[in-house]
Amino acid sequence: DADVTQTPRNRITKTGKRIMLECSQTKGHDRMYWYRQDPGLGLRLIYYSFDVKDINKGEISDGYSVSRQAQAKFSLSLESAIPNQTALYFCATSAPGGLAGNTGELFFGEGSRLTVL
Amino acid sequence: KQEVTQIPAALSVPEGENLVLNCSFTDSAIYNLQWFRQDPGKGLTSLLLIQSSQREQTSGRLNASLDKSSGRSTLYIAASQPGDSATYLCAVILYPGGKLQFGAGTQVVVTP
Repeated sequence: DADVTQTPRNRITKTGKRIMLECSQTKGHDRMYWYRQDPGLGLRLIYYSFDVKDINKGEISDGYSVSRQAQAKFSLSLESAIPNQTALYFCATSAPGGLAGNTGELFFGEGSRLTVL
Repeated sequence: KQEVTQIPAALSVPEGENLVLNCSFTDSAIYNLQWFRQDPGKGLTSLLLIQSSQREQTSGRLNASLDKSSGRSTLYIAASQPGDSATYLCAVILYPGGKLQFGAGTQVVVTP
């Protein structure tokens, strides 16, 4: 099984619908992230969480919200989806860097492809 | 604001040639730099992570160098194979366990 699992892997929805993308991890990491990927733009950070009670906005958080239900679960919601939110969404995890043997390396899920019509 | 640039955006080479992929960043105050591979429609696979105190990292046919003072990292792939065809992304880690700032990637095609 994958260490970082995203569901659903593919979703087609209509403008105005509420969508939730879910992420779960078995790596035991405290830190979790949501990125979106658009052609030619690379990956951009939407939200990140350093522990269950710590949630922070990334560079493109408008139109999105998140919930950290447990150390292993981090969900991304689009309250009212719009076509320019069509993208490939990635969840990632990391352990805190700076500790012995820990480099802060990130591990990614397989991605969730969202299409908003 | 840290900006990460990858040039070229796309690259095509015949099998057997060495690949050289470039990554530049504007602020040398990085913690680490990580190289990823992405196959079409797939997630990101970590290839190499170079800590800011290191000059290079090697894994098999892959070698990544880091020059913080000039804001550059280079990924070398020796003796390329068709299976190396993918998009390669670099990302800088801004502080321990923190956010990554990504480049847009270099799409590589290795022709048989």
